[in-house]
Amino acid sequence: AQKVTQAQTEISVVEKEDVTLDCVYETRDTTYYLFWYKQPPSGELVFLIRRNSFDEQNEISGRYSWNFQKSTSSFNFTITASQVVDSAVYFCALRGDSNYQLIWGAGTKLIIKP
Amino acid sequence: DSGVTQTPKHLITATGQRVTLRCSPRSGDLSVYWYQQSLDQGLQFLIQYYNGEERAKGNILERFSAQQFPDLHSELNLSSLELGDSALYFCASSAPGTGNSPLHFGNGTRLTVT
Repeated sequence: AQKVTQAQTEISVVEKEDVTLDCVYETRDTTYYLFWYKQPPSGELVFLIRRNSFDEQNEISGRYSWNFQKSTSSFNFTITASQVVDSAVYFCALRGDSNYQLIWGAGTKLIIKP
Repeated sequence: DSGVTQTPKHLITATGQRVTLRCSPRSGDLSVYWYQQSLDQGLQFLIQYYNGEERAKGNILERFSAQQFPDLHSELNLSSLELGDSALYFCASSAPGTGNSPLHFGNGTRLTVT
């Protein structure tokens, strides 16, 4: 069975702090794909990043960085120097090659206080 | 802008009624997905179509039905509406090919059943 766990239901930090959102996954597939999505208060779902299971390079995009570790089955998301505009619900998702269905985590609500 | 268009943005209707939600996928995308998101809830997968054919079914109620037309736009029909059907309904599309294609979401239709 495939599963995505985002244990942090809600995180609240003060602006400019760094914050890490955890994502732990379970899959028996050897090839799989991991995704992060952002849902701001306005409601839309925005695709942030995709990572393939055979590519363990970490990625940085501006203030955003992603740490993929197969050894711990984790794909964590870090926001450096957080800003109020980063306030949103962040979803991690997994798709394995065995059935191509996207398995979603429950989401982490991130609140950035000014 | 994800390129996925959903109409209408808002819908208010009474219990027992029937509504139709419409989705136009991104140009070139063959897959269309429908999701339901109730207040403060995660994303519930309803159904997926690929090039006009039903590909996968999730937790879709019998009162709900969907189809994808030859021009690849999709409609989600919700009938005998209940108060509990009030939610944000998302459509997403993805490119053909392997499982690493991310889903791109429309802005959603917010359905309120009174």
